[in-house]
Amino acid sequence: AQKVTQAQTEISVVEKEDVTLDCVYETRDTTYYLFWYKQPPSGELVFLIRRNSFDEQNEISGRYSWNFQKSTSSFNFTITASQVVDSAVYFCALSEVGNQGGKLIFGQGTELSVKP
Amino acid sequence: DGGITQSPKYLFRKEGQNVTLSCEQNLNHDAMYWYRQDPGQGLRLIYYSQIVNDFQKGDIAEGYSVSREKKESFPLTVTSAQKNPTAFYLCASSMGRGQYFGPGTRLLVL
Repeated sequence: AQKVTQAQTEISVVEKEDVTLDCVYETRDTTYYLFWYKQPPSGELVFLIRRNSFDEQNEISGRYSWNFQKSTSSFNFTITASQVVDSAVYFCALSEVGNQGGKLIFGQGTELSVKP
Repeated sequence: DGGITQSPKYLFRKEGQNVTLSCEQNLNHDAMYWYRQDPGQGLRLIYYSQIVNDFQKGDIAEGYSVSREKKESFPLTVTSAQKNPTAFYLCASSMGRGQYFGPGTRLLVL
């Protein structure tokens, strides 16, 4: 069965701290995609990153970085030097090729609060 | 600008009433999706369409219906059979590189 687990329901940090959001997934497929989305208070989901199962290279984009480890089925997301604007709910999601049109299976989300 | 639009932003439904949520995209994406989000939870798939004039049920399709007569449009109807319709509804489209979401419609029951 496919499943995405984000064990951290809420995280609160002070501005400029680094913070890591955890994501663990389950799938029987060998070909799949992993995503991170940001949901600010407005509600719209903002696409952050897509990673396919054959590419375990870590990725950095500005203050954001992602650590994909197939051995532990994890796809963690780190924000360096957090800012108040980073406050949002962050979702990790899994998509399996050929499964219901590539539907996204979402975790429960982690609410990040960055205080000034 | 390219993107996905959803309307209305807020929608109120009376008991026994059918209501339709609009979703339009000008990204030329083939696939479109409807998700439902309940408070404190992730999104769940209602319906999806990979091509015009074709659509498939997702995980929670009961009480909902859709149509896909044009590539750009994928409206969702919440029927009176949906007993707990209060939720945030998000439409997405995809061309295979990832799903991009609209701003959402919040449906409330009067």
